[in-house]
Amino acid sequence: SAVISQKPSRDICQRGTSLTIQCQVDSQVTMMFWYRQQPGQSLTLIATANQGSEATYESGFVIDKFPISRPNLTFSTLTVSNMSPEDSSIYLCSARDSGSWNEQFFGPGTRLTVL
Amino acid sequence: AQTVTQSQPEMSVQEAETVTLSCTYDTSESDYYLFWYKQPPSRQMILVIRQEAYKQQNATENRFSVNFQKAAKSFSLKISDSQLGDAAMYFCAYNQGGKLIFGQGTELSVKP
Repeated sequence: SAVISQKPSRDICQRGTSLTIQCQVDSQVTMMFWYRQQPGQSLTLIATANQGSEATYESGFVIDKFPISRPNLTFSTLTVSNMSPEDSSIYLCSARDSGSWNEQFFGPGTRLTVL
Repeated sequence: AQTVTQSQPEMSVQEAETVTLSCTYDTSESDYYLFWYKQPPSRQMILVIRQEAYKQQNATENRFSVNFQKAAKSFSLKISDSQLGDAAMYFCAYNQGGKLIFGQGTELSVKP
């Protein structure tokens, strides 16, 4: 199974600023994803991070607000741009195992608070 | 679009007893994967159990088992001999092309 780390684990940011979250996997994986979990809510997929090409965004999420990079098969970043208090959430990175079970492993999440 | 519904926002169980968490989903696909994840207060998502739709046999992992009813599109989780460490938020998830669609979650509390 893949082990995933995220940096930072938490941050408090001012309105209008941007924060970049890093996700590192300890092995090469086929797919990486970014999810948002708003307070008391379930997880919502933001986008699929594609290696070597632009990320694929879900409805309601745009590249200008959540630019994503994936330079190789073990690393990805998510930037939350021009933040507002509504962006206060937990952001989770996940990676899909290449095995037959389509299992996804999750990072520990980044708790973001926007003042 | 596929949807996943968990109709029980909260559940409670006495330690050592059995509890069942409900999940229904909607899909037009015939082959897919279903998962139950656990999220304790640490917020780390932990895979509890998984089921492949074409397998009729219900998955079992130690104290955790599922009741998978494909025709009814139902995928419930049974926790036997509940332990204090089972207290967490539980999410049912459907795999769609590698992406996970999650239900709203059920918060399980375990009473000593």
